[in-house]
Amino acid sequence: NAGVTQTPKFRILKIGQSMTLQCTQDMNHNYMYWYRQDPGMGLKLIYYSVGAGITDKGEVPNGYNVSRSTTEDFPLRLELAAPSQTSVYFCASSYQGAGSGNTIYFGEGSWLTVV
Amino acid sequence: AQSVTQLDSQVPVFEEAPVELRCNYSSSVSVYLFWYVQYPNQGLQLLLKYLSGSTLVKGINGFEAEFNKSQTSFHLRKPSVHISDTAEYFCAVSDPSGGYQKVTFGTGTKLQVIP
Repeated sequence: NAGVTQTPKFRILKIGQSMTLQCTQDMNHNYMYWYRQDPGMGLKLIYYSVGAGITDKGEVPNGYNVSRSTTEDFPLRLELAAPSQTSVYFCASSYQGAGSGNTIYFGEGSWLTVV
Repeated sequence: AQSVTQLDSQVPVFEEAPVELRCNYSSSVSVYLFWYVQYPNQGLQLLLKYLSGSTLVKGINGFEAEFNKSQTSFHLRKPSVHISDTAEYFCAVSDPSGGYQKVTFGTGTKLQVIP
């Protein structure tokens, strides 16, 4: 059982470039999330989705976009990369809402550097 | 609004010694509480969670945590640590009435087990 799979694991971007972080889960979870993790800052929610076709902003959505065309996939698009987007990105999923006490399952992370 | 404070950013401890990682939360309502662990270069995984019932919660790998409502704390303990426990530990809180996205993570505590 693969769980949550995200690619790429590492990427270096130049300022102004765009890219998509891919995420897929095979647990038939309804909810999916994108977090970013910065040193000493914990995890911040970028975007989340409660099901196919439904997405909403989290705490730090600026500079990002998402889509959810299927239950399994939840890609994160970075438009016009900036140094402030250098971070570790985690895709995650849960069967029902994480705020209702459900366990969040995380991918292994994507290390992104913008230079 | 809910918040989580992890008082220690780093905790060094000798192998086979006991450890306590501290977590305090702030919320005006009943909450759910979680501890997640992140091993080097991996995503987070659930260690244990408190939803209701007994205030002493047992998790994986010999960890346990105690919910103390009067002190608004959820400290994580292990009586004897191993080298393999070296990781970063995140406390998290969710508000059941705040919607599916309302999970707030602390800034993390790095546990370093010294041989």
